[in-house]
Amino acid sequence: EAGVAQSPRYKIIEKRQSVAFWCNPISGHATLYWYQQILGQGPKLLIQFQNNGVVDDSQLPKDRFSAERLKGVDSTLKIQPAKLEDSAVYLCASSPEQGKAEKLFFGSGTQLSVL
Amino acid sequence: KNQVEQSPQSLIILEGKNCTLQCNYTVSPFSNLRWYKQDTGRGPVSLTIMTFSENTKSNGRYTATLDADTKQSSLHITASQLSDSASYICVVNSGGSNYKLTFGKGTLLTVNP
Repeated sequence: EAGVAQSPRYKIIEKRQSVAFWCNPISGHATLYWYQQILGQGPKLLIQFQNNGVVDDSQLPKDRFSAERLKGVDSTLKIQPAKLEDSAVYLCASSPEQGKAEKLFFGSGTQLSVL
Repeated sequence: KNQVEQSPQSLIILEGKNCTLQCNYTVSPFSNLRWYKQDTGRGPVSLTIMTFSENTKSNGRYTATLDADTKQSSLHITASQLSDSASYICVVNSGGSNYKLTFGKGTLLTVNP
């Protein structure tokens, strides 16, 4: 079974530039998450999709971050403009369904460095 | 506020030794608790899930415990191997209508030869 695919693996940009990350979840998984993980911290939820609808984006900095999941499959996360504090690993995760026994399957992440 | 606290923050042990990682939570309501292992440069992978009625569960050399009364969980690693070097993250699921996952910051384990 193919896992969650993310690209690019690494990205280095200067502050105020824009960047986009891509995620392809496991086939058939309805729920998709984007997490931000700062070095030494646990993942922080940015946005959760159920199919192509947003379930929770309460912690997404909407003035600079945006995300979409067209057709309920692939998803992109965009940052525009980037700030130094956005340097982190951006993890995408998917699960078959939202619920009490939910198990997340994570991609390897995109490591972003903002200079 | 729902919180998950893990200790220690980091731990260094010699290969072959045992260790125990702790997770305390204040999440309510409580549905279940998962331990994830995150290798460097990789995403977290689920090791085990503990539900309200379970006290102990083993997965190979990993044994998780849960005390729902004191809201504490532990992950015990027996006969550690170099490949156990990773960050271990505790995640609590509140379930119910206000379903939410609360992540701990993780414990960074280093196993030295």
